[in-house]
Amino acid sequence: SYELTQPPSVSVSPGQTASITCSGDELGDKYVSWYQQKPGQSPVLVIYEDSKRPSGIPERFSGSNSGNTATLTISGTQAMDEADYYCQAWDSSTVVFGGGTKLTVL
Amino acid sequence: QVQLQESGPGLVKPSETLSLTCAVSGSFISSSYYWGWIRQPPGKGLEWIGDIYHSGNTYYNPSLKSRVTISVDTSKNQFSLKLSSVTVADTAVYYCASRPDGYTNRWYADYWGQGTLVTVSS
Repeated sequence: SYELTQPPSVSVSPGQTASITCSGDELGDKYVSWYQQKPGQSPVLVIYEDSKRPSGIPERFSGSNSGNTATLTISGTQAMDEADYYCQAWDSSTVVFGGGTKLTVL
Repeated sequence: QVQLQESGPGLVKPSETLSLTCAVSGSFISSSYYWGWIRQPPGKGLEWIGDIYHSGNTYYNPSLKSRVTISVDTSKNQFSLKLSSVTVADTAVYYCASRPDGYTNRWYADYWGQGTLVTVSS
């Protein structure tokens, strides 16, 4: 079965750029979405189709996907961005989620 | 703005069937959306269960397919999940979610319910 691999944790200082990676075999040939989940809350879609932002998502969130790696980039990271982030793709008639990355802003 | 609200028992006994319903507001369930379920065991990641179109077309996670049924009730604007023969491993927060109709390889869930914790225990 297809697997998406994320680093368990990423740390960033306020105002700096955070990059969260998601790796999978030939992932660049697939469409990747990213979700933000804060403690006790439902996931929120922040990026879809590799790089598109839903309405209401700040411009500091961006995405890219090439080769075997997709990347979620948060520019000018704010304390409110501290959360778990999950990548997701479709493969062989099923939805696959990455294991999640805890972003710490310190 | 689509709003989703899960409901159902919070406790299910092992070997029994878990049943949840998701009420849809802000949209007709017969619109161009798929309606589905995603779960999250306590402290763990997300797992897709499956989704359904109002026509009845369904997609299921192969690892759960033998135990899962998702159905839609257009008269009540809601859809449901049944998961049979549950074990403690099925303990999770269950989210209902929607995704736009279109190419499935572009799958993404843009609206989520608040989630409901279902515990499997005797």
